[in-house]
Amino acid sequence: NAGVTQTPKFQVLKTGQSMTLQCAQDMNHNSMYWYRQDPGMGLRLIYYSASEGTTDKGEVPNGYNVSRLNKREFSLRLESAAPSQTSVYFCASIAGTLTDTQYFGPGTRLTVL
Amino acid sequence: EDQVTQSPEALRLQEGESSSLNCSYTVSGLRGLFWYRQDPGKGPEFLFTLYSAGEEKEKERLKATLTKKESFLHITAPKPEDSATYLCAVQANQKVTFGTGTKLQVIP
Repeated sequence: NAGVTQTPKFQVLKTGQSMTLQCAQDMNHNSMYWYRQDPGMGLRLIYYSASEGTTDKGEVPNGYNVSRLNKREFSLRLESAAPSQTSVYFCASIAGTLTDTQYFGPGTRLTVL
Repeated sequence: EDQVTQSPEALRLQEGESSSLNCSYTVSGLRGLFWYRQDPGKGPEFLFTLYSAGEEKEKERLKATLTKKESFLHITAPKPEDSATYLCAVQANQKVTFGTGTKLQVIP
């Protein structure tokens, strides 16, 4: 039981390049989330998926797209990376409602030059 | 707008020196308050969920308490392995709002 896994762990992009961050969970959770964490700021929600087949915007969705590929996998895509997207990205999952425990992945550290 | 403020930003303790971390919040309709531990280079790890004022939960050297305006994470006789950043989050209005964390360093 690996919990929540993320790939890659580190990535460096040039401005304008695109990439997809992958997230998978093996806990049969319904809801999955993408956050970014920046120095001096709390975790901020980018997008979430309350169930397979649905996705919704969070607090900071601009510049990102997501795909809930199946119940296990939730990917985050940067179509044209910008330096402002330099951050640490975390994926999380919840079994049921928001009052349940969120389980986080190990994170992806992204640098955009 | 929901707000979560954690204090202090950083705390340095000698091993065995007990202290408390604070999480104050301004939300309407609190559904739950969460405490997480985050080690450098890792994702947050769940510690506690508190649902109503007066509730307390304990785990080893940690004890979390909740009032109508704030939560405290009490650390009793901390050890160096308790060094980490502690995050607080509140769930209300169909969303979760995180604080910026308290970075705790416990010196042997």
